[in-house]
Amino acid sequence: GENVEQHPSTLSVQEGDSAVIKCTYSDSASNYFPWYKQELGKRPQLIIDIRSNVGEKKDQRIAVTLNKTAKHFSLHITETQPEDSAVYFCAASKGGSYIPTFGRGTSLIVHP
Amino acid sequence: ETGVTQTPRHLVMGMTNKKSLKCEQHLGHNAMYWYKQSAKKPLELMFVYSLEERVENNSVPSRFSPECPNSSHLFLHLHTLQPEDSALYLCASSQDMGGWDSPLHFGNGTRLTVT
Repeated sequence: GENVEQHPSTLSVQEGDSAVIKCTYSDSASNYFPWYKQELGKRPQLIIDIRSNVGEKKDQRIAVTLNKTAKHFSLHITETQPEDSAVYFCAASKGGSYIPTFGRGTSLIVHP
Repeated sequence: ETGVTQTPRHLVMGMTNKKSLKCEQHLGHNAMYWYKQSAKKPLELMFVYSLEERVENNSVPSRFSPECPNSSHLFLHLHTLQPEDSALYLCASSQDMGGWDSPLHFGNGTRLTVT
């Protein structure tokens, strides 16, 4: 089955800095890679996703890049703000009846 | 309104009690999931239902029993739980199971404490 590794487990940055979270996956057939943000005491929510036929996708201060050859994808947050502090989860799945596999999560702390 | 509603938000139960967690989705999705989230642990998939049929049971102890009476409702029946079962239980739904453009929509979870 699919295996998703996520690093780092904890990331501490100063407000205004950039943050990068990386995930690797094992199944080359995976073709959909969503990212979820979970604020303290709240539910995980989708913030951005990317399909395997796209190398990069941006949405304001967040972007996701995908390297299919190396089987890794990354979340980039620029100009971080304290409200970006949360746990971020990556996931990978295949089309059809395949359940998404989650990474272990990264706790991002943005210091004002 | 999240589209996925879980009740109760908090539950405290003794090890000999029987209780049920409820999840309801108003999104017209075909797949529903139960996840367990413990402190400092990843999201652990417990059960998946697709079109009301169970398609995944991830080696979950029998003291957890899921029920999916229709595509909008999902229950998790609990009995004779252990203290290590204390966790946040998250319900999620998706349009289809696993496909792209089919992300998970999570409920707010039930915080379960077993005493």
